[in-house]
Amino acid sequence: QLVLTQSPSASASLGASVRLTCTLSSGHNTYTIAWHQQRPQKGPRYLMKLNSDGGHSKGDGIPDRFSGSSSGAERYLTISSLQSEDEADYYCQTWGSGIRVFGGGTKLTVL
Amino acid sequence: EVQLLESGGGLVQPGGSLRLSCAASGFTFSSYGMTWVRQAPGKGLEWVSNIIDSGASTYYADSVRGRFTISRDNSRNTLYLQMSRLRAEDTAVYYCAKDLEGTSSSDYWGRGTLVTVSS
Repeated sequence: QLVLTQSPSASASLGASVRLTCTLSSGHNTYTIAWHQQRPQKGPRYLMKLNSDGGHSKGDGIPDRFSGSSSGAERYLTISSLQSEDEADYYCQTWGSGIRVFGGGTKLTVL
Repeated sequence: EVQLLESGGGLVQPGGSLRLSCAASGFTFSSYGMTWVRQAPGKGLEWVSNIIDSGASTYYADSVRGRFTISRDNSRNTLYLQMSRLRAEDTAVYYCAKDLEGTSSSDYWGRGTLVTVSS
């Protein structure tokens, strides 16, 4: 079964870096995922597509502070030079066999 | 600029029906698949349904299959979601999203429309 697992919460200080993790279920470690950001009371915003080899392509207007990487079944979203506007929920998403799956989301708090 | 504007949400009784619309602009609508995603209050994102560019193929989450129907009118640049036999657990903000070419993810999202199923 295709499942994505994310930690419910994360926190980091203003100006620091943070790495969020999305883990693919067993047998799916070659899957491509996407990362989306959802600020409070807003619709989601596409950040990037991330391949199993770490290659990624970002959406329009996404700052260089956002980057992606991969290791095995784990997909990472790294945000550097954290700003207050980065406080949001972050969701990973994947797809296969006619279905699409979201992770449970990680709520990022910027201290 | 890509714009997606959902409409049609509101309060409906359990067992009732509702049709959502999503007006698209800023891209060649007929060239892209489209998706509906929902978010229950205080919860995460849930894929609901998607449709390919021509409308010839559609896909549904198990939770809505047989009750919801996705469709599109490429001449009107509009995506639809017909919802019937609505349940309390269908209460959510429904987002329309444009598919990213070559993937089954979405690169542009609307602001959403709230559907409340309650008596």
